[in-house]
Amino acid sequence: GIQVEQSPPDLILQEGANSTLRCNFSDSVNNLQWFHQNPWGQLINLFYIPSGTKQNGRLSATTVATERYSLLYISSSQTTDSGVYFCAVSPYSSASKIIFGSGTRLSIRP
Amino acid sequence: DSGVTQTPKHLITATGQRVTLRCSPRSGDLSVYWYQQSLDQGLQFLIQYYNGEERAKGNILERFSAQQFPDLHSELNLSSLELGDSALYFCASSPLGPLANEQFFGPGTRLTVL
Repeated sequence: GIQVEQSPPDLILQEGANSTLRCNFSDSVNNLQWFHQNPWGQLINLFYIPSGTKQNGRLSATTVATERYSLLYISSSQTTDSGVYFCAVSPYSSASKIIFGSGTRLSIRP
Repeated sequence: DSGVTQTPKHLITATGQRVTLRCSPRSGDLSVYWYQQSLDQGLQFLIQYYNGEERAKGNILERFSAQQFPDLHSELNLSSLELGDSALYFCASSPLGPLANEQFFGPGTRLTVL
């Protein structure tokens, strides 16, 4: 089945820093989402981005479907950005299923 | 708030018992998905229902079952519980058709099996 790899697995930054999180997938997908799981366990939708680029405030995401990767950019990090960031994909071969990556754990120090 | 509700928030039970987790999707969403998040397995897709019909299965154990009712709420039944079933169980809903698209997650039910 499709493999979804996220990097880096862990990231520790000072408040105000910028970061780039990467999601690689091994097969063609028909959708891709980025989520933030906060320290209380809640999964928050960030982007639904099967292709192209989107921006929402300090966050933006780019998916290059032909090259099978997506990037999540976080600028001017705040402590509330801490948590785990997941990407999740739905492969063309099994379009009803969602496969999550193992996540990037981001810690923002004040 | 995603609009997806799950009850209960926490559940503590013993091995061998059976529990039922409940999910109400966002208004108008026909698809409901169930996921299990455990420390060693990460976030795993369990099962999807679309408008009352089972649509896709993931890594769901035979001891687990689910259904979606005519009012579109869904229940996940876990039986013969084992210690390893302790996890966070999420429900998600999505609009549009039966194929996976943008999903909105509920707050989860934390199950502890003692």
